[in-house]
Amino acid sequence: DTAVSQTPKYLVTQMGNDKSIKCEQNLGHDTMYWYKQDSKKFLKIMFSYNNKELIINETVPNRFSPKSPDKAHLNLHINSLELGDSAVYFCASSQGNQPYNEQFFGPGTRLTVL
Amino acid sequence: AQSVSQHNHHVILSEAASLELGCNYSYGGTVNLFWYVQYPGQHLQLLLKYFSGDPLVKGIKGFEAEFIKSKFSFNLRKPSVQWSDTAEYFCAVSATGGATNKLIFGTGTLLAVQP
Repeated sequence: DTAVSQTPKYLVTQMGNDKSIKCEQNLGHDTMYWYKQDSKKFLKIMFSYNNKELIINETVPNRFSPKSPDKAHLNLHINSLELGDSAVYFCASSQGNQPYNEQFFGPGTRLTVL
Repeated sequence: AQSVSQHNHHVILSEAASLELGCNYSYGGTVNLFWYVQYPGQHLQLLLKYFSGDPLVKGIKGFEAEFIKSKFSFNLRKPSVQWSDTAEYFCAVSATGGATNKLIFGTGTLLAVQP
């Protein structure tokens, strides 16, 4: 059983398009995250939701809009895609949002903007 | 602001060699420390973590790490590596007392183990 799943696994699109990445976790966790991993493998947090409420919003362009319809899902919508958005996006989840709560990661979505 | 440094970007070892990957963090308060591993084509998995207590923590697959507070370090070790340990290793830190569970990652160390 997949604990944290993401769709799609690969996404290739043109500049200026709008796209969404979906994340679902079946662990019963109440906190979910989006991370971006750039071409140099550097991982940086973008957003976090706890019980469907936004609790972390790093300085991410407002073209990125997360949506959490329920505790098990956290989707990422990106408007007006730019070349610099090309990266691997990882979703993660944890039970609780304290620093000692282990985060479980999804397989990643590789986004390529042409 | 918190930051994490991994000075070894790429390490090549032969099987059975010993491994030590460096990790230093920058933060004045109490921290929680993690090592994650990303095998080729797979997602990040937790290797081990330190919150408090014994500074020498043991993780999965024979890995261990030692928290040295005076050096702001949390180096990862394994006495004898295997070909299957080939992967990218990430050190991460989160601050105790913070309102959120924000992991700050290092830039990763790519380990290649030659058979």
